[in-house]
Amino acid sequence: AQSVTQPDIHITVSEGASLELRCNYSYGATPYLFWYVQSPGQGLQLLLKYFSGDTLVQGIKGFEAEFKRSQSSFNLRKPSVHWSDAAEYFCAATDLYNNAGNMLTFGGGTRLMVKP
Amino acid sequence: KAGVTQTPRYLIKTRGQQVTLSCSPISGHRSVSWYQQTPGQGLQFLFEYFSETQRNKGNFPGRFSGRQFSNSRSEMNVSTLELGDSALYLCASSPGAGRVNTEAFFGQGTRLTVV
Repeated sequence: AQSVTQPDIHITVSEGASLELRCNYSYGATPYLFWYVQSPGQGLQLLLKYFSGDTLVQGIKGFEAEFKRSQSSFNLRKPSVHWSDAAEYFCAATDLYNNAGNMLTFGGGTRLMVKP
Repeated sequence: KAGVTQTPRYLIKTRGQQVTLSCSPISGHRSVSWYQQTPGQGLQFLFEYFSETQRNKGNFPGRFSGRQFSNSRSEMNVSTLELGDSALYLCASSPGAGRVNTEAFFGQGTRLTVV
């Protein structure tokens, strides 16, 4: 079955420190991959996406992610975290080759806390 | 450009009742997807509509249904509400046609509480 796993439920980092959030996927073909961020009580905002090509993708708010096929991973990174980055982050995937359309499979989410 | 609009934002219903939630996608978008978010199950796909046709369906009971109108607005209906249906229901829209158009934009959700 297709799945997306985020191994870390909670992560706490100090403001100004670097950040890496992990995401692993299990799909038959290469999925299309996304990272979303959700503030409390709000919807999801797209940070970045990977469809094909360059495996390092840049997103909004200074985030980037690297697709590694050999590790089935799509980890999110940021070199210097700001207090406003505190939120919940979701990795998601879909398989357009099988006409999955916009049927996204989400990971369980990682809640990021930022220490001053 | 207006974003995805979901109404109402908050809803309280009693067990056994039915409820209808509404989603207006971004202008020009033809695909609307619905998701249920709960603390226990996380984000789960309900169904997707494209050009008034259900294109994909998640693993939810038949009490959950949806439809899409010719202007791409979508509604989802839950009949015979159960306490476990309490959740944040999120709607996402995308242009919908082709691989490059798969980026989904989410609304702020409807918080449904079943008492």
